[in-house]
Formats: sequence, structure tokens, C-alpha cells
Amino acid sequence: GENVEQHPSTLSVQEGDSAVIKCTYSDSASNYFPWYKQELGKRPQLIIDIRSNVGEKKDQRIAVTLNKTAKHFSLHITETQPEDSAVYFCAASRSAGGGNKLTFGTGTQLKVEL
Amino acid sequence: GAVVSQHPSRVICKSGTSVKIECRSLDFQATTMFWYRQFPKQSLMLMATSNEGSKATYEQGVEKDKFLINHASLTLSTLTVTSAHPEDSSFYICSARAQGGNQPQHFGDGTRLSIL
Repeated sequence: GENVEQHPSTLSVQEGDSAVIKCTYSDSASNYFPWYKQELGKRPQLIIDIRSNVGEKKDQRIAVTLNKTAKHFSLHITETQPEDSAVYFCAASRSAGGGNKLTFGTGTQLKVEL
Repeated sequence: GAVVSQHPSRVICKSGTSVKIECRSLDFQATTMFWYRQFPKQSLMLMATSNEGSKATYEQGVEKDKFLINHASLTLSTLTVTSAHPEDSSFYICSARAQGGNQPQHFGDGTRLSIL
């Protein structure tokens, strides 16, 4: 089955700096890669996703890059703000729509310090 | 759009009690719903995939007689933790996917289950 590894497990940045979280996956058939943000005790919220037919996607301060050859994808947050502090999970799925089961990474606790 | 409602948000009960958790898609029809379990400071672990009108597919190591799943309509799936024990205490989260291609999963608020 799919195995998703995520690094780092914790990340502290100063407000305004950039944050990068990296994930690798094992199943070459995976073609859908969402990123979720989860605040303490709350639901995971989809913040951005990318499908295998593109290498990069951007939405305001958030961007995701995908390297299918190397089987890794990354989340980039620019101009970080305190409200970006949360746990971020990457995930991978064989379905471009996410309809198949998602395999999650282990999570990254991001702390944006003033 | 794409709102998933999960109830109850918190349950505290005695060992041996059965607990039912509901997951509803409020503004879309969900052919597939997923049930996850999350321990503190850990990732989401898929327990089972629930398809409307058919039996759920359980992940390896998840006891189907312990965690009963029913997906009777396109907007409702339920998870029943039967004869719950303290080791079943956890955060349970459902997600739902709308019909049609390229639809992502949307999560409910989760249920924190504490078994005394």
C-alpha cells in the first residue's frame, strides 16, 4: 500500500518568513495530493491540492509543487502569519478526485512566532 | 458549500456502552464517506470506507464487529462503537466526497470519545 512520509514534524518560523513542508510517497500510481490544515481539536481543512498532470499550483500565499519522478511534493507558505500556526497534513490518493482513500503523512506542527 | 456535519462532538460514557456517531453531508450527496481515527498529536488513520447502499470496506486491523458502519442514504453515514472500552477513547472524524469526478474529501468536526 501507499506510504507517505512528511518532514519536518515541527517547524518554527518568524512572522513574514516562508515555511516549507515536504512529503514523499511510495505508490507510483498515486495522482492526487491534497494538503490539509488542522487546528487543535478541529476538523482538517483542505487548503490546496494538486493533481499529477501539473507540477505546481498556487493560491495566494500558498503553493504546492509536485515531482512525480522523484515521488515528492511540497507545501510552500510565504509571508507567514500567526494564524497560519496549525498542524499541516499532506496526503496521497490513487484517484484524481480524492474519491479513493487518502493516505496521510504524519503531520507538521507549524508555529509562526511574532 | 460542501459542509459535513458530525454529531455528537463529545461523548463521555462508561465502559461497555455502545456509542453512535453520525456524519451528514448537508449540501451535497455523498456516495462515499470515510471514517478516521486520530490519536493525540498523530495523523489520521483510515478505519473504513463507507459506500451508500453497500457494506463498508474496513482497513486491516479494524474490527468490523466492533466498529459498525451504516451508510443508508446519500447524506448520512453512522459509526457505532460497540461495547466501548477505555482503549477505544480517541478522536473520530468522518469525511465525505460528493458525486462526480474530481471531488475532494471534506471533513466533519470530529467526535471526541472518552470511555471511563
